[in-house]
Amino acid sequence: GAVVSQHPSRVICKSGTSVKIECRSLDFQATTMFWYRQFPKKSLMLMATSNEGSKATYEQGVEKDKFLINHASLTLSTLTVTSAHPEDSSFYICSAKRPGGPDTQYFGPGTRLTVL
Amino acid sequence: GIQVEQSPPDLILQEGANSTLRCNFSDSVNNLQWFHQNPWGQLINLFYIPSGTKQNGRLSATTVATERYSLLYISSSQTTDSGVYFCAAVPTAYQLIWGAGTKLIIKP
Repeated sequence: GAVVSQHPSRVICKSGTSVKIECRSLDFQATTMFWYRQFPKKSLMLMATSNEGSKATYEQGVEKDKFLINHASLTLSTLTVTSAHPEDSSFYICSAKRPGGPDTQYFGPGTRLTVL
Repeated sequence: GIQVEQSPPDLILQEGANSTLRCNFSDSVNNLQWFHQNPWGQLINLFYIPSGTKQNGRLSATTVATERYSLLYISSSQTTDSGVYFCAAVPTAYQLIWGAGTKLIIKP
């Protein structure tokens, strides 16, 4: 199957600090990865599409300078929440598209960020 | 843009019961997907079903593309089926339009 991992699974940080979340495709190379944010009892909200070797495409309303995305290799994308504030607390989920397969995304287990 | 509506929003059942979850979408789509988000947050792909019927164990799904709806059937529910079930319409490559989800609680 297609396995996607995220690290860390849970992080607590102080307001003003930066937090990096890693998303890895473990058994396939992913040219495209996605980052979502999920608020409690809500559906997923797409933040950005991450393409290997190029700049990420951000959805309307998502601050590029606050949510830095890097997709440096075919198996790793990172999301850095810069100068985090309590309103950035959320559940962040990444996904990856498996090349050559059906047009579907495989999801990581998510990272719960709490900013104090 | 495409609207995706799921019903019911909440469902509480006893173990062993059957259930049907519905997903309506407002426009033609390339694909329709069902996901299960377990209580720990992990999203699991259940079905990739642009049309027709598919079955996987106790779960099956039917999409009637011409009438713009999809149904997810869960038979002989188990407590491990608890969680939130999302459908997502795929109007174009990579784009997922999510429904609000159905929260399912299976009581032992």
